[in-house]
Amino acid sequence: GAVVSQHPSRVICKSGTSVKIECRSLDFQATTMFWYRQFPKQSLMLMATSNEGSKATYEQGVEKDKFLINHASLTLSTLTVTSAHPEDSSFYICSAFSFGISGDEQFFGPGTRLTVL
Amino acid sequence: AQSVTQPDIHITVSEGASLELRCNYSYGATPYLFWYVQSPGQGLQLLLKYFSGDTLVQGIKGFEAEFKRSQSSFNLRKPSVHWSDAAEYFCAVGPPGGYNKLIFGAGTRLAVHP
Repeated sequence: GAVVSQHPSRVICKSGTSVKIECRSLDFQATTMFWYRQFPKQSLMLMATSNEGSKATYEQGVEKDKFLINHASLTLSTLTVTSAHPEDSSFYICSAFSFGISGDEQFFGPGTRLTVL
Repeated sequence: AQSVTQPDIHITVSEGASLELRCNYSYGATPYLFWYVQSPGQGLQLLLKYFSGDTLVQGIKGFEAEFKRSQSSFNLRKPSVHWSDAAEYFCAVGPPGGYNKLIFGAGTRLAVHP
């Protein structure tokens, strides 16, 4: 099946710093990538939808200036958490969507655990 | 409001026993329905999906799920659980027509006793 990777898998940073998380589709081109956030023992919550070459669409309540998303190519999307604070600590998961592969399935990355001290 | 409820946060079964994980949803129209499995350190893997047609759908790894419109449910079942099935299971719904904007349940963590 199609593979999606995320880097880094884990990151610890100090409050006030920015952190970049990469999401790559390794063996297919993704027309759309999604970014989710998962709190412990809670659901995955969609943060934003990212289409290659265009601005991301953010879900209500998600600060677009805080969570910068760049989808520069059909295989790479990045999420930058700017001026991170402890409340941003979470598990961030991306998924990639491709028409025509396995019935238009979303393929999920393994996630990135962000801890802000 | 659109939502997905997985009433069981944690389930423990013995290896070889049958399994049923519950999922109820609230949605304006009949959505697309999914079950995913997540193992530690790995991404979500699609077990099965329902779009239309036969309400009993077969998935990978011996799983099946039944869509019951009257109950707004999409419960996941497996007749005989294997130790390797221990993982977190998520039910999700999405709008008809595609995979966009999936809404996930909180997940059910399955433990399997030998």
